[in-house]
Amino acid sequence: QKEVEQNSGPLSVPEGAIASLNCTYSDRGSQSFFWYRQYSGKSPELIMSIYSNGDKEDGRFTAQLNKASQYVSLLIRDSQPSDSATYLCAVNPSGYNKLIFGAGTRLAVHP
Amino acid sequence: DAGVIQSPRHEVTEMGQEVTLRCKPISGHNSLFWYRQTMMRGLELLIYFNNNVPIDDSGMPEDRFSAKMPNASFSTLKIQPSEPRDSAVYFCASRGQGGETQYFGPGTRLLVL
Repeated sequence: QKEVEQNSGPLSVPEGAIASLNCTYSDRGSQSFFWYRQYSGKSPELIMSIYSNGDKEDGRFTAQLNKASQYVSLLIRDSQPSDSATYLCAVNPSGYNKLIFGAGTRLAVHP
Repeated sequence: DAGVIQSPRHEVTEMGQEVTLRCKPISGHNSLFWYRQTMMRGLELLIYFNNNVPIDDSGMPEDRFSAKMPNASFSTLKIQPSEPRDSAVYFCASRGQGGETQYFGPGTRLLVL
C-alpha cells in the first residue's frame, strides 16, 4: 500500500468550475499536510498547508482535512486555465521530519 | 533573495560515467533534501540533511549514489557509475529551522545514455 495516494487524472474541468483534488494517506499519526503545484517542466511550489481537521481557505483555494478518515483534499474555486498543472499531496508522517509525496493529480482547466 | 540553486540544469552522459549534481540551499536554511522524480515513481526522497548531517538516507537507491554536505551552503549528489535507469529530474529543496515549508530548486534533468 502506497503511503500517500492520489488519483493520477487527468481531471478535466471547465473554466470557472470547482476542481476537487483528493488524497489519502496511510500513517494515522501524520500531523502536517501540504499541497504543492507543479507546472510541466518546473519544480513543485507550495500552495497550501493544513495541520488541523476542517477547512483552511486561501483565496480561491481551500484545503480540507479529515484525520479520522485519513483524507485531505484541495478545492479550487473559479478554476482558470492557468491552474492547469499537476497537484502533489505531501504528508509529514509521524516521527519523521520529512515529506512523503503522492504521485500527483494532473488538472486540466479548459476554456 | 535567491532561491535554491542547482547545477547543472541539464546533464547528458553515457552509461558508466560519474555524474555530480550540485545544490546551494537558501541562505539561513538548515535542512536540505534531495529528491528524484520520474513518471513511473513520482517524487521520491533520496536523502536529507539537517545542519549538514545526513539524517535519513533510506531512499538512496544503492551504493552507486552518494551525497555530501560539506558546509551549510553546498551539497552534492554523486552517481558513480551512472546507468540509464538513473535518468530522471533531480530536485534539491531546503527548509528553514522550525519551518515546515520546503523550497525546491529548478531541478537537474539527467539523461544517461
